[in-house]
Amino acid sequence: EVHLVESGGGLVQTGGSLRLSCAASGFTFISYTMSWVRQAPGKGLEWVSYVSSSSDAIYYADSVRGRFTISRDNAKNSLYLQMNSLRAEDTAVYYCARDVSTGYFDFWGQGTLVTVSS
Amino acid sequence: QPVLTQSPSASASLGASVKLTCTLSSGHSTYSIAWHQQQPEKGPRLLMNLNRDGSHNRGDGIPDRFSGSSSGAERYLTISSLQSEDEADYYCQTWGTGFRVFGGGTKLTVL
Repeated sequence: EVHLVESGGGLVQTGGSLRLSCAASGFTFISYTMSWVRQAPGKGLEWVSYVSSSSDAIYYADSVRGRFTISRDNAKNSLYLQMNSLRAEDTAVYYCARDVSTGYFDFWGQGTLVTVSS
Repeated sequence: QPVLTQSPSASASLGASVKLTCTLSSGHSTYSIAWHQQQPEKGPRLLMNLNRDGSHNRGDGIPDRFSGSSSGAERYLTISSLQSEDEADYYCQTWGTGFRVFGGGTKLTVL
């Protein structure tokens, strides 16, 4: 059974940094592209970033490019999101999602809440 | 890249059927999409991916009460025999190299 478990969320000050992790199990992690998706309170889903299976393709949404860095460790079956220069508008639940090679998300984690406040 | 448009809300009665719509922006009518369901206070889950010809594959454990169809730039999700647990937000999503895009979501109320 596929499991994706996010961690690392919390309260951080404006301009601060935070690193999110996603632990994957139940499937061959190295075979899949992985994504981060976020959801601001009361709002819809917003794709943040994806990394290909071998990390040779990495893309970001315009709203986070230059501030966030996605990475993965295939030996540890883990996905990461380093978030720097955080803003109030980055406040959201952040989901880790398995990204089928064609481009849609077939499994999701339960999310971790990031709150950015001054 | 495509823009996906969804109606903000929909409602239907318990046991009835409902059809939700996701519209692809001009010039992007050939794109496949995926439908995701988000029940209150839960993470999203994949319902199905849906191609331009209406062919679709349901996600893990999704019952056949959920079906998809397509017409031009419109992609549809039909839920039959509505149950109380179908009250949720429904998002369509599409993709390409370097991007993933969501529609704004439709909040479905089961009366």
